[in-house]
Amino acid sequence: KQEVTQIPAALSVPEGENLVLNCSFTDSAIYNLQWFRQDPGKGLTSLLLIQSSQREQTSGRLNASLDKSSGRSTLYIAASQPGDSATYLCAVRNSGNTPLVFGKGTRLSVIA
Amino acid sequence: GAVVSQHPSRVICKSGTSVKIECRSLDFQATTMFWYRQFPKQSLMLMATSNEGSKATYEQGVEKDKFLINHASLTLSTLTVTSAHPEDSSFYICSAKLAGPPDTQYFGPGTRLTVL
Repeated sequence: KQEVTQIPAALSVPEGENLVLNCSFTDSAIYNLQWFRQDPGKGLTSLLLIQSSQREQTSGRLNASLDKSSGRSTLYIAASQPGDSATYLCAVRNSGNTPLVFGKGTRLSVIA
Repeated sequence: GAVVSQHPSRVICKSGTSVKIECRSLDFQATTMFWYRQFPKQSLMLMATSNEGSKATYEQGVEKDKFLINHASLTLSTLTVTSAHPEDSSFYICSAKLAGPPDTQYFGPGTRLTVL
């Protein structure tokens, strides 16, 4: 059974810092991996989706990498801003027909 | 991008009553819909997978007689929490998926259920 772990559980950084969020998964035979943002009491916003054949995806200040063989992904946020404060969730899918399995998330606080 | 809506966004009910939550894919046909539950400061836990026109598949530990799922059309799935109890209070999020690659799941905004 696929299990997703995110480290750290919480992170507080001053504005302007670059930071890395980590995600690991137990079954490396994944179909794709997705990073989401969730604001308190709100739904999910998809940030980046990486297919199993890809190594990374970039969107603005966000860069997500995937090392499928080692079961790891990282989300890099450059020049963090207070508006980046949220919980970041990593999720993987094992096949096209199976649902996303989520980690517990990293709660990020960016201090102005 | 594809939009998924949920209704209601927030509901408060008395213990013992039933609550229905609707999930709609607004601009695409979803062959598969998923229902997740999220407790405070926890991650999303999959409750069930439903395919249009067939019975839902429930995850281990989820009572199918308590959480009734109906996927009546390619744009609508409903989750009914029957005889709700305070421990059912949670954030319920639906997700819809198009058939075929890239198999992206689109998420609704969630429904906050509070059972008194």
